[in-house]
Amino acid sequence: KAGVTQTPRYLIKTRGQQVTLSCSPISGHRSVSWYQQTPGQGLQFLFEYFSETQRNKGNFPGRFSGRQFSNSRSEMNVSTLELGDSALYLCASSSAKTGGQAGEQYFGPGTRLTVT
Amino acid sequence: AQSVSQHNHHVILSEAASLELGCNYSYGGTVNLFWYVQYPGQHLQLLLKYFSGDPLVKGIKGFEAEFIKSKFSFNLRKPSVQWSDTAEYFCAVKEGGYQKVTFGTGTKLQVIP
Repeated sequence: KAGVTQTPRYLIKTRGQQVTLSCSPISGHRSVSWYQQTPGQGLQFLFEYFSETQRNKGNFPGRFSGRQFSNSRSEMNVSTLELGDSALYLCASSSAKTGGQAGEQYFGPGTRLTVT
Repeated sequence: AQSVSQHNHHVILSEAASLELGCNYSYGGTVNLFWYVQYPGQHLQLLLKYFSGDPLVKGIKGFEAEFIKSKFSFNLRKPSVQWSDTAEYFCAVKEGGYQKVTFGTGTKLQVIP
């Protein structure tokens, strides 16, 4: 079974631009979560999608948004990029069918975003 | 809000030494607990997980963790570390009923041959 894939793997953008990151979950997984990983803050939860609906959201500004498609693929968008948005963005998929099920998460390799 | 504390930020051990990494969380309700590992240049992998039942959980590569509800702790242990265990270890907690997972800040383990 193929793992979680993320594209692109590396991205360099300038302040003020916007960026879209893509995540393809493991086949059959309908839950996709996004995390931001930085050396100072560690792993911080952005949001989680299940069946095209955002179920949970972390404490990030509205510049960070996402969506999920009917095939469970997910995209994350960051508008008006700031220097502080430089980070590794991780996507994780889970087989959890409902919010109550403890589906373990499988992580992708991440997209390294550098904002200059 | 849920918080997860990993008190050791950087641990250096010699091969064959025993390992214990601390993890404490703040949520008082039903939780699911995880330890993830990130080897240099690789992505996060699940080491072990606790959902319910026996509080002593065994994972891959000889790791185990013990859930102590009264102490809100889920410490990771390994009797004898190897150089290949050099990695960053993350404790994570999922509140029952939600898919949101809160991670600790991670512990970097360096094993010296």
